[in-house]
Amino acid sequence: DAGVIQSPRHEVTEMGQEVTLRCKPISGHDYLFWYRQTMMRGLELLIYFNNNVPIDDSGMPEDRFSAKMPNASFSTLKIQPSEPRDSAVYFCASSRGSSGGTDTQYFGPGTRLTVL
Amino acid sequence: QKEVEQNSGPLSVPEGAIASLNCTYSDRGSQSFFWYRQYSGKSPELIMFIYSNGDKEDGRFTAQLNKASQYVSLLIRDSQPSDSATYLCAPSTSGNTPLVFGKGTRLSVIA
Repeated sequence: DAGVIQSPRHEVTEMGQEVTLRCKPISGHDYLFWYRQTMMRGLELLIYFNNNVPIDDSGMPEDRFSAKMPNASFSTLKIQPSEPRDSAVYFCASSRGSSGGTDTQYFGPGTRLTVL
Repeated sequence: QKEVEQNSGPLSVPEGAIASLNCTYSDRGSQSFFWYRQYSGKSPELIMFIYSNGDKEDGRFTAQLNKASQYVSLLIRDSQPSDSATYLCAPSTSGNTPLVFGKGTRLSVIA
C-alpha cells in the first residue's frame, strides 16, 4: 500500500491567497483526520471524517478554513484567505476504524505551508 | 479541556542506556495510549500502544500504564543514536476518535 498521500509537500504563498491542501487516505480506511503542527501548539486536530462525513470540526480555527471529503479516496483542506499565522505543517491521517479501541492512525508526509 | 503533559526535553542519554519518557493526561475517560516517534521534518509514526494497566514490551520498547495515576511512560532499552527523535504521547477515549497529542519529548542519544 502507498500509505497516506498528501500534496503539495511544500507550499509558499502570500497573505490573502487561497491555499488548497490535498489528501488521499489509505484504501479501506473509514476515518480521515486533518492535524496541524506548530512549535508553539504542537500537533492539534482540525477536523475529522467518518465515511466521508465530517464528525467534528471544532478544531478548525475560523471560517477561513474549510474541509471536504467528496469521496472515500480524497479530501481537501482549504484556507481562504491565508494569513502568516497559518504557517505550519499540515498532516492528514487515516485509520480503519475499529471497536477495540486500539485503532492505529497512519500519517501522511505532511504539507509544509508558509504564508508570507 | 483534555491535556497531555510531556517534558519537552531535550533528554540526553548515552548510547546503550535506558531512556525513560513520561506522560501525564487529564482525561480519565482515556482508554488507549499511543506512542508515536517523529524524526525531524518527518511525520509521526506509531511505535506502540497500551490499554491495560501494567507493562507492555515490544523489542527494545516497553510502555507502562497507570490509569489511577493518569500516567503513561515509554522505556527504550539499549538506546541507539537512531532513536534520537521527538516522542509523542497520545491518549484516546476510543479507537475511532482523534488523538490528543502531547507536545512531545525530544530525545538525543549520544554515541
